[in-house]
Amino acid sequence: ETGVTQSPTHLIKTRGQQVTLRCSSQSGHNTVSWYQQALGQGPQFIFQYYREEENGRGNFPPRFSGLQFPNYSSELNVNALELDDSALYLCASSELAGGPEGEQFFGPGTRLTVL
Amino acid sequence: SQQGEEDPQALSIQEGENATMNCSYKTSINNLQWYRQNSGRGLVHLILIRSNEREKHSGRLRVTLDTSKKSSSLLITASRAADTASYFCATDATGNTPLVFGKGTRLSVIA
Repeated sequence: ETGVTQSPTHLIKTRGQQVTLRCSSQSGHNTVSWYQQALGQGPQFIFQYYREEENGRGNFPPRFSGLQFPNYSSELNVNALELDDSALYLCASSELAGGPEGEQFFGPGTRLTVL
Repeated sequence: SQQGEEDPQALSIQEGENATMNCSYKTSINNLQWYRQNSGRGLVHLILIRSNEREKHSGRLRVTLDTSKKSSSLLITASRAADTASYFCATDATGNTPLVFGKGTRLSVIA
């Protein structure tokens, strides 16, 4: 158990809909990163938030957006869902510098299926 | 895009044998990390090796890093059925940049 929680566990949406995924960071961590993991692939970086500000973004379109709240919990919002958005979405919390071991603590993920 | 490439893509061994997985990457790194993932769930951090280190041990895990060849290996000794999982290497370019993952090695340990 990493102390990072995500909700919901599974989600089914249809093409064109919008979805919000939630993440609760590990206590004391001020940085959250979101990753998309397609089936059979490694996680791909979406974006990172540090103290409620976006702190880096991967190669994802603007319909992927996020928020980080004062308590360091976070949301990932995806608008106009496409079939290719079907994936496991992982959030990871860390200290900004990645902590003494540079590690990120991952939540269990949300499995999104777009029909 | 993927930074690292793990090799092999899949590995099946008997319990008690050693498992070796390799990772190659493309750009200069600050550190390289190995993670484990069970059944498409969250990733668990296993070990981090910094760019100025060549070898690191943690329990039954041994990681090596060759920055001249841009490659790393993860050795799991005396494997157990519970080691069955996907293993990913992830690189960190500056210490505060997002992790860049490879596609992973699927390890099956047969009891």
